[in-house]
Amino acid sequence: DAKTTQPNSMESNEEEPVHLPCNHSTISGTDYIHWYRQLPSQGPEYVIHGLTSNVNNRMASLAIAEDRKSSTLILHRATLRDAAVYYCILSSRNQGGKLIFGQGTELSVKP
Amino acid sequence: GAGVSQSPSNKVTEKGKDVELRCDPISGHTALYWYRQSLGQGLEFLIYFQGNSAPDKSGLPSDRFSAERTGGSVSTLTIQRTQQEDSAVYLCASSISGYRDTGELFFGEGSRLTVL
Repeated sequence: DAKTTQPNSMESNEEEPVHLPCNHSTISGTDYIHWYRQLPSQGPEYVIHGLTSNVNNRMASLAIAEDRKSSTLILHRATLRDAAVYYCILSSRNQGGKLIFGQGTELSVKP
Repeated sequence: GAGVSQSPSNKVTEKGKDVELRCDPISGHTALYWYRQSLGQGLEFLIYFQGNSAPDKSGLPSDRFSAERTGGSVSTLTIQRTQQEDSAVYLCASSISGYRDTGELFFGEGSRLTVL
């Protein structure tokens, strides 16, 4: 399975943008980049995913490097509710949609 | 409800007993996944179902663990002769189709298992 590397933890201030990095230097051409987050005592929830182009949705933006070896999840205005562990995951067609979670980045948001 | 439902939410058992954990996926979702999460750890993949068949059982940690899915819907994860190291939160997820790698996974709240 292609691996991802994320910082263990990051801090942000409320109402400021947050950029969460992810390195995936061994990504293959058919791997999608997924982001999930897990709030305390809850199951993970989907945030965003992409293949090559940058993606935007109501929760966040995903910026994918041109060589696809890294990506950045962007939260435009952090709120206290965004404090969670954020997972960057690669998946490919032959995995049946299975996602292999790493350790993720624990994001704390200060008021 | 419209989400993935898991039961029981909490289960305390004695070492050596068998336990069954249940997952009700979102209606119409053909793919179903089981994960477990030990305290302070990331999620560990256990098994994946496409319909009633399990093409990927690679994450089951031992032969004490088994899972089945019937009617393309409800799934049961069974742990026989539980050990203390089995204590974890067991999470179930479903998606519309596992063959579409863009499919979003919807997770339940999990079943917390404590083995004394």
